[in-house]
Amino acid sequence: DVKVTQSSRYLVKRTGEKVFLECVQDMDHENMFWYRQDPGLGLRLIYFSYDVKMKEKGDIPEGYSVSREKKERFSLILESASTNQTSMYLCASSNPRGMFFGPGTRLTVL
Amino acid sequence: QKEVEQNSGPLSVPEGAIASLNCTYSDRGSQSFFWYRQYSGKSPELIMSIYSNGDKEDGRFTAQLNKASQYVSLLIRDSQPSDSATYLCAVNPPAAGNKLTFGGGTRVLVKP
Repeated sequence: DVKVTQSSRYLVKRTGEKVFLECVQDMDHENMFWYRQDPGLGLRLIYFSYDVKMKEKGDIPEGYSVSREKKERFSLILESASTNQTSMYLCASSNPRGMFFGPGTRLTVL
Repeated sequence: QKEVEQNSGPLSVPEGAIASLNCTYSDRGSQSFFWYRQYSGKSPELIMSIYSNGDKEDGRFTAQLNKASQYVSLLIRDSQPSDSATYLCAVNPPAAGNKLTFGGGTRVLVKP
């Protein structure tokens, strides 16, 4: 079974803090993604990566950056957290059989 | 026009009945189609994939694909209260690699 893990299930940070969300997949997938999900807005793609050290902007990259130093790990960075970044963050990896999500990190920015 | 459209619901279904969920997509060249189930507060879980026109059955789930009509559906037979969730349709457009385009989801409520 594909397994995607995320570093935290729940996280509380203060405005202005730098926040790191870590994601690891164990199926040797080349493609990895970061989404956020908010009520009524569905899944919104923040960044994705097709290979190590490669990254592509998604639909809402502002305020975020990513890092992919190893194939299995894709990190999302909030440079200076703001209250409007309070959300559920979902990491995923994919192959032609589908996209597989981690359990999500519910981030609250106070 | 949204690329992948679903009725947001809620779709209310009596226990034991068939739940029918619909999804339309705009990119005619799409070749891969997926259904995800998402319980409240949880992440989406892949439950069905379909690549060819026709029906594909897996347990109580049947996915149906009609590429000419750009339409994909999911049937849930013998619906159970545990099927109450949001169901997301996802499409893999051509030249998108394995980056899926998701619909907004249909909320299903199965009432005992």
